Amino acid sequence: DAKTTQPTSMDCAEGRAANLPCNHSTISGNEYVYWYRQIHSQGPQYIIHGLKNNETNEMASLIITEDRKSSTLILPHATLRDTAVYYCIVRVVSGTYKYIFGTGTRLKVLA
Amino acid sequence: ETGVTQTPRHLVMGMTNKKSLKCEQHLGHNAMYWYKQSAKKPLELMFVYSLEERVENNSVPSRFSPECPNSSHLFLHLHTLQPEDSALYLCASSQGDRHESEQYFGPGTRLTVT
Repeated sequence: DAKTTQPTSMDCAEGRAANLPCNHSTISGNEYVYWYRQIHSQGPQYIIHGLKNNETNEMASLIITEDRKSSTLILPHATLRDTAVYYCIVRVVSGTYKYIFGTGTRLKVLA
Repeated sequence: ETGVTQTPRHLVMGMTNKKSLKCEQHLGHNAMYWYKQSAKKPLELMFVYSLEERVENNSVPSRFSPECPNSSHLFLHLHTLQPEDSALYLCASSQGDRHESEQYFGPGTRLTVT
Protein backbone atom coordinates (compact mmCIF):
# COMPACT_ATOMS: atom_id res chain seq x y z
CA ASP A 1 0.00 0.00 0.00
CA ALA A 2 1.03 3.58 -0.65
CA LYS A 3 2.54 5.32 2.37
CA THR A 4 1.19 8.73 1.37
CA THR A 5 -2.15 10.52 1.57
CA GLN A 6 -3.18 13.13 -0.96
CA PRO A 7 -6.42 15.00 -1.68
CA THR A 8 -8.39 13.40 -4.48
CA SER A 9 -8.70 16.55 -6.56
CA MET A 10 -7.87 20.26 -6.66
CA ASP A 11 -8.55 23.19 -8.94
CA CYS A 12 -6.19 26.06 -9.65
CA ALA A 13 -6.58 29.21 -11.72
CA GLU A 14 -4.23 29.57 -14.65
CA GLY A 15 -1.23 31.73 -13.78
CA ARG A 16 -1.60 31.18 -10.05
CA ALA A 17 0.55 28.94 -7.89
CA ALA A 18 -0.69 25.39 -7.42
CA ASN A 19 0.11 23.96 -3.99
CA LEU A 20 -0.34 20.21 -3.77
CA PRO A 21 -0.10 18.71 -0.27
CA CYS A 22 1.02 15.23 0.71
CA ASN A 23 1.01 13.52 4.09
CA HIS A 24 3.60 10.85 4.83
CA SER A 25 3.47 10.59 8.61
CA THR A 26 5.20 7.19 8.75
CA ILE A 27 8.20 8.18 6.65
CA SER A 28 11.53 6.72 7.74
CA GLY A 29 14.85 8.49 7.88
CA ASN A 30 16.17 6.79 4.76
CA GLU A 31 13.11 7.45 2.60
CA TYR A 32 12.90 10.16 -0.03
CA VAL A 33 9.80 11.97 -1.22
CA TYR A 34 9.22 11.88 -4.98
CA TRP A 35 6.67 13.62 -7.13
CA TYR A 36 5.53 12.42 -10.54
CA ARG A 37 2.65 13.52 -12.69
CA GLN A 38 0.59 11.76 -15.33
CA ILE A 39 -1.13 13.69 -18.04
CA HIS A 40 -4.18 11.89 -19.38
CA SER A 41 -3.34 8.55 -21.03
CA GLN A 42 0.41 9.21 -21.03
CA GLY A 43 3.20 7.68 -18.96
CA PRO A 44 4.08 9.38 -15.66
CA GLN A 45 6.71 12.10 -15.72
CA TYR A 46 9.24 12.77 -12.98
CA ILE A 47 8.99 16.21 -11.38
CA ILE A 48 11.21 16.45 -8.32
CA HIS A 49 12.39 14.64 -5.22
CA GLY A 50 13.95 15.43 -1.85
CA LEU A 51 15.03 14.03 1.50
CA LYS A 52 14.69 16.84 4.05
CA ASN A 53 15.78 20.09 2.45
CA ASN A 54 13.56 22.12 0.18
CA GLU A 55 14.28 21.54 -3.48
CA THR A 56 13.63 23.57 -6.61
CA ASN A 57 14.06 22.84 -10.28
CA GLU A 58 12.74 24.26 -13.52
CA MET A 59 9.39 22.55 -13.08
CA ALA A 60 8.51 22.96 -9.43
CA SER A 61 9.51 23.45 -5.80
CA LEU A 62 9.26 20.86 -3.06
CA ILE A 63 8.77 22.00 0.52
CA ILE A 64 9.27 19.32 3.19
CA THR A 65 8.29 20.05 6.78
CA GLU A 66 10.97 19.88 9.44
CA ASP A 67 9.51 16.68 10.93
CA ARG A 68 9.29 15.26 7.37
CA LYS A 69 5.71 14.08 7.93
CA SER A 70 4.32 16.13 5.11
CA SER A 71 5.37 17.98 1.99
CA THR A 72 3.99 20.39 -0.60
CA LEU A 73 4.66 20.49 -4.31
CA ILE A 74 4.45 24.01 -5.70
CA LEU A 75 3.93 24.79 -9.37
CA PRO A 76 4.65 28.54 -9.31
CA HIS A 77 2.62 29.63 -12.34
CA ALA A 78 0.20 26.89 -13.33
CA THR A 79 -0.76 26.56 -16.99
CA LEU A 80 -3.47 24.53 -18.68
CA ARG A 81 -0.79 21.98 -19.62
CA ASP A 82 -0.22 21.29 -15.92
CA THR A 83 -3.63 19.62 -15.70
CA ALA A 84 -2.73 16.08 -14.64
CA VAL A 85 -2.74 13.54 -11.82
CA TYR A 86 0.09 14.27 -9.38
CA TYR A 87 1.58 11.41 -7.39
CA CYS A 88 3.51 11.78 -4.14
CA ILE A 89 5.67 8.72 -3.46
CA VAL A 90 7.84 7.79 -0.51
CA ARG A 91 10.66 5.48 -1.40
CA VAL A 92 13.61 3.81 0.25
CA VAL A 93 16.58 4.38 -1.97
CA SER A 94 19.29 1.91 -2.76
CA GLY A 95 18.53 -1.74 -2.50
CA THR A 96 15.05 -1.54 -3.98
CA TYR A 97 13.59 -0.55 -7.31
CA LYS A 98 10.07 -0.26 -5.98
CA TYR A 99 7.92 2.80 -6.46
CA ILE A 100 4.50 2.47 -4.86
CA PHE A 101 2.07 4.80 -6.57
CA GLY A 102 -1.10 5.85 -4.77
CA THR A 103 -4.19 7.34 -6.35
CA GLY A 104 -2.69 10.85 -6.52
CA THR A 105 -4.30 14.28 -6.77
CA ARG A 106 -6.14 15.23 -9.92
CA LEU A 107 -5.19 18.85 -10.56
CA LYS A 108 -7.35 20.83 -12.93
CA VAL A 109 -6.02 24.19 -14.07
CA LEU A 110 -8.84 26.51 -15.01
CA ALA A 111 -8.64 29.21 -17.68
CA GLU B 1 14.01 7.86 -31.39
CA THR B 2 14.49 9.28 -27.93
CA GLY B 3 13.44 8.27 -24.44
CA VAL B 4 11.32 5.19 -23.95
CA THR B 5 9.21 3.82 -26.77
CA GLN B 6 6.50 1.19 -26.64
CA THR B 7 4.80 -0.80 -29.37
CA PRO B 8 2.06 -1.32 -30.16
CA ARG B 9 0.24 1.67 -28.70
CA HIS B 10 -3.09 -0.12 -28.85
CA LEU B 11 -3.83 -3.84 -28.86
CA VAL B 12 -7.07 -5.79 -28.92
CA MET B 13 -6.76 -9.52 -28.36
CA GLY B 14 -8.98 -12.48 -27.65
CA MET B 15 -8.55 -14.61 -24.58
CA THR B 16 -6.94 -17.43 -26.57
CA ASN B 17 -4.44 -15.26 -28.44
CA LYS B 18 -0.73 -14.86 -27.82
CA LYS B 19 0.80 -11.44 -28.24
CA SER B 20 3.84 -9.50 -27.09
CA LEU B 21 4.39 -5.95 -25.95
CA LYS B 22 7.71 -4.33 -26.76
CA CYS B 23 9.60 -1.61 -24.95
CA GLU B 24 12.84 0.04 -25.99
CA GLN B 25 14.84 2.64 -24.10
CA HIS B 26 17.37 4.93 -25.75
CA LEU B 27 18.74 6.44 -22.53
CA GLY B 28 21.56 4.04 -21.71
CA HIS B 29 19.81 2.93 -18.54
CA ASN B 30 20.44 -0.41 -16.84
CA ALA B 31 17.04 -1.07 -15.23
CA MET B 32 13.67 -1.57 -16.88
CA TYR B 33 10.17 -1.95 -15.46
CA TRP B 34 6.68 -3.10 -16.40
CA TYR B 35 3.67 -1.48 -14.74
CA LYS B 36 -0.04 -2.14 -15.10
CA GLN B 37 -2.59 0.65 -14.77
CA SER B 38 -6.21 -0.46 -14.64
CA ALA B 39 -9.05 2.02 -14.86
CA LYS B 40 -9.35 4.14 -11.71
CA LYS B 41 -6.56 2.18 -9.96
CA PRO B 42 -2.99 3.16 -9.04
CA LEU B 43 -0.08 1.97 -11.09
CA GLU B 44 0.97 -1.53 -10.09
CA LEU B 45 4.57 -2.60 -10.46
CA MET B 46 4.75 -5.96 -12.24
CA PHE B 47 8.38 -6.72 -13.00
CA VAL B 48 11.81 -5.11 -12.70
CA TYR B 49 14.96 -6.06 -14.56
CA SER B 50 18.38 -4.82 -13.55
CA LEU B 51 21.30 -5.58 -15.86
CA GLU B 52 19.01 -8.02 -17.66
CA GLU B 53 18.31 -9.98 -14.48
CA ARG B 54 14.81 -10.03 -13.00
CA VAL B 55 14.95 -8.47 -9.54
CA GLU B 56 11.26 -7.90 -8.79
CA ASN B 57 8.22 -10.03 -9.55
CA ASN B 58 5.15 -8.81 -7.74
CA SER B 59 2.99 -11.94 -7.71
CA VAL B 60 2.05 -11.53 -11.35
CA PRO B 61 0.05 -14.39 -12.93
CA SER B 62 2.04 -16.69 -15.19
CA ARG B 63 -0.01 -15.64 -18.21
CA PHE B 64 2.29 -12.58 -18.21
CA SER B 65 5.86 -13.54 -19.11
CA PRO B 66 8.59 -10.89 -19.25
CA GLU B 67 11.78 -11.07 -21.25
CA CYS B 68 14.80 -8.78 -21.18
CA PRO B 69 17.27 -9.83 -23.89
CA ASN B 70 19.53 -6.79 -23.32
CA SER B 71 19.55 -3.59 -21.32
CA SER B 72 17.73 -1.63 -24.03
CA HIS B 73 14.82 -3.98 -24.73
CA LEU B 74 12.02 -5.38 -22.62
CA PHE B 75 9.14 -7.58 -23.72
CA LEU B 76 5.93 -8.69 -22.06
CA HIS B 77 4.58 -11.89 -23.57
CA LEU B 78 0.85 -12.40 -23.12
CA HIS B 79 -1.16 -15.59 -23.40
CA THR B 80 -4.59 -16.78 -22.30
CA LEU B 81 -5.48 -13.41 -20.85
CA GLN B 82 -8.70 -12.54 -19.06
CA PRO B 83 -10.94 -9.50 -19.63
CA GLU B 84 -9.77 -8.06 -16.28
CA ASP B 85 -6.28 -7.86 -17.77
CA SER B 86 -7.47 -5.00 -19.96
CA ALA B 87 -5.38 -2.00 -18.88
CA LEU B 88 -2.67 0.44 -19.82
CA TYR B 89 0.71 -1.29 -19.68
CA LEU B 90 3.59 1.06 -19.03
CA CYS B 91 7.28 0.47 -19.45
CA ALA B 92 9.90 2.54 -17.64
CA SER B 93 13.66 2.67 -17.30
CA SER B 94 16.15 4.11 -14.83
CA GLN B 95 19.85 4.18 -14.17
CA GLY B 96 20.16 1.97 -11.12
CA ASP B 97 18.14 2.31 -7.92
CA ARG B 98 19.74 5.30 -6.22
CA HIS B 99 17.73 8.31 -5.11
CA GLU B 100 18.70 10.42 -8.10
CA SER B 101 17.66 7.68 -10.53
CA GLU B 102 14.24 8.82 -11.56
CA GLN B 103 12.17 6.61 -13.81
CA TYR B 104 11.43 7.54 -17.40
CA PHE B 105 8.15 6.15 -18.69
CA GLY B 106 7.02 5.23 -22.15
CA PRO B 107 3.60 6.24 -23.53
CA GLY B 108 2.08 2.85 -22.73
CA THR B 109 0.19 0.14 -24.59
CA ARG B 110 -3.58 0.22 -24.20
CA LEU B 111 -4.62 -3.44 -24.08
CA THR B 112 -8.19 -4.65 -24.48
CA VAL B 113 -8.96 -8.33 -23.93
CA THR B 114 -12.20 -9.48 -25.50
